Amino acid sequence: GEDVEQSLFLSVREGDSSVINCTYTDSSSTYLYWYKQEPGAGLQLLTYIFSNMDMKQDQRLTVLLNKKDKHLSLRIADTQTGDSAIYFCAESLNRDDKIIFGKGTRLHILP
Amino acid sequence: EADIYQTPRYLVIGTGKKITLECSQTMGHDKMYWYQQDPGMELHLIHYSYGVNSTEKGDLSSESTVSRIRTEHFPLTLESARPSHTSQYLCASSESEKMRHSPLHFGNGTRLTVT
Repeated sequence: GEDVEQSLFLSVREGDSSVINCTYTDSSSTYLYWYKQEPGAGLQLLTYIFSNMDMKQDQRLTVLLNKKDKHLSLRIADTQTGDSAIYFCAESLNRDDKIIFGKGTRLHILP
Repeated sequence: EADIYQTPRYLVIGTGKKITLECSQTMGHDKMYWYQQDPGMELHLIHYSYGVNSTEKGDLSSESTVSRIRTEHFPLTLESARPSHTSQYLCASSESEKMRHSPLHFGNGTRLTVT
C-alpha cells in the first residue's frame, strides 16, 4: 500500500543542523516533496526532488534520496528560530495523480 | 506570496447551520483540492477536481460537497454543520495534465469551529 512515515517531533539547538527523515513504501514514486507549515498557515513547498536524483541542495536545505531504501531526508543547516514549523514529506505516484503526505514532523528550536 | 485565497480564515458557527468555505486561485490551475487537517496534524484529502464540472471524492469520507463552475473557484459547502466538522480546511491547486506531477500550492486555510 501507499504510506509515508515520519517521526512526529524533533528538537534541535539554534545554530545546529536539523535532519528530518521520511520513509515511503511505493516504489513508483516519481517526485518527493518537502512542505513547511507555520502556525495558522497552509503548507508551503520548500523543495522537491525527482526520483532519479540522489541529492538536491538549495541554500541551507539539502535533500537526500536513497531510492533503494525508500528513504528521504531534509537537512537544514544553521537552524534558526524561524525554522520552527511542521515539515511534511510527500510523494507523488506515477500511476495516478495522487500525492501522499506523511503526518508531519514538528521541529522545535532550543535556544 | 498567496495566489490561492481562502475565506474566511476563522469561522465559529452553531450546529445545524449551512456554511460555505471559499477558495479561489489566480494561477489558472486546472486541479484543485480540499484537505481536512485534524489537530494531530495529519492531512486528509476530502475532495478534488480536475477542472470545470469535475468533482471527485477523496480518501476521507466527508459530509461536505463541492462545486467547480469556474476554473478559479472551488467552494466547499456543509449543509448542516456539526461539532464533528470542527477542523482546519486547506484548499490547494496544481497545474494541468501536461505538468502531471507539479507540486500543490496551498491556501492559508479556514479554521472552522462548530459549537
